Amino acid sequence: GAGVSQTPSNKVTEKGKYVELRCDPISGHTALYWYRQSLGQGPEFLIYFQGTGAADDSGLPNDRFFAVRPEGSVSTLKIQRTERGDSAVYLCASSLLPFGTFNTEAFFGQGTRLTVV
Amino acid sequence: KQEVTQIPAALSVPEGENLVLNCSFTDSAIYNLQWFRQDPGKGLTSLLLIQSSQREQTSGRLNASLDKSSGRSTLYIAASQPGDSATYLCAFLNAGGTSYGKLTFGQGTILTVHP
Repeated sequence: GAGVSQTPSNKVTEKGKYVELRCDPISGHTALYWYRQSLGQGPEFLIYFQGTGAADDSGLPNDRFFAVRPEGSVSTLKIQRTERGDSAVYLCASSLLPFGTFNTEAFFGQGTRLTVV
Repeated sequence: KQEVTQIPAALSVPEGENLVLNCSFTDSAIYNLQWFRQDPGKGLTSLLLIQSSQREQTSGRLNASLDKSSGRSTLYIAASQPGDSATYLCAFLNAGGTSYGKLTFGQGTILTVHP
């Protein structure tokens, strides 16, 4: 596609429910990142995929958070037993080559605004 | 662990002014630096990317510099316009240790340019 696409753009859920957030990276991009942004803060790293595997998941806050990228393209961020503190904008980014390759640039989606009530 | 600080947190200027946004970082083991723009309720738009071996990049009215020795980057905006109003974020792609491959962001500078 023309850019990184995230769905849904907004999600309101009740505390304790399960949610899935989807990211469609730019076609051909091998690297995919998830970030979380709270109001007034910069984006906070959650997890990084290189291809199908999670190269670094050290930013996931706890075991309620999980992400997959089974075919090396679309990724889904899954949150179990949601809490009000999970409310934030979840951003996805993709890159043509692994971060660290010369002149690699990250492209971000519009984000999914998650509100847990 | 990379820590990134942006100063000022907010800036309000009249149209036409030249302005400088500052970003400092603690770990010089970086691959590159990106400056992003974020409009309210929107995602991040990449403005400029500087490789660690470079010192500056220019795009139109924007100029970004990188000084690894002092741990600083600046974004210079010339002849500011109301349409420049947004949050500006700097981010560093870390090259070393446990932060390898992570893009670490500052908190952002909220810029308002009034007519």
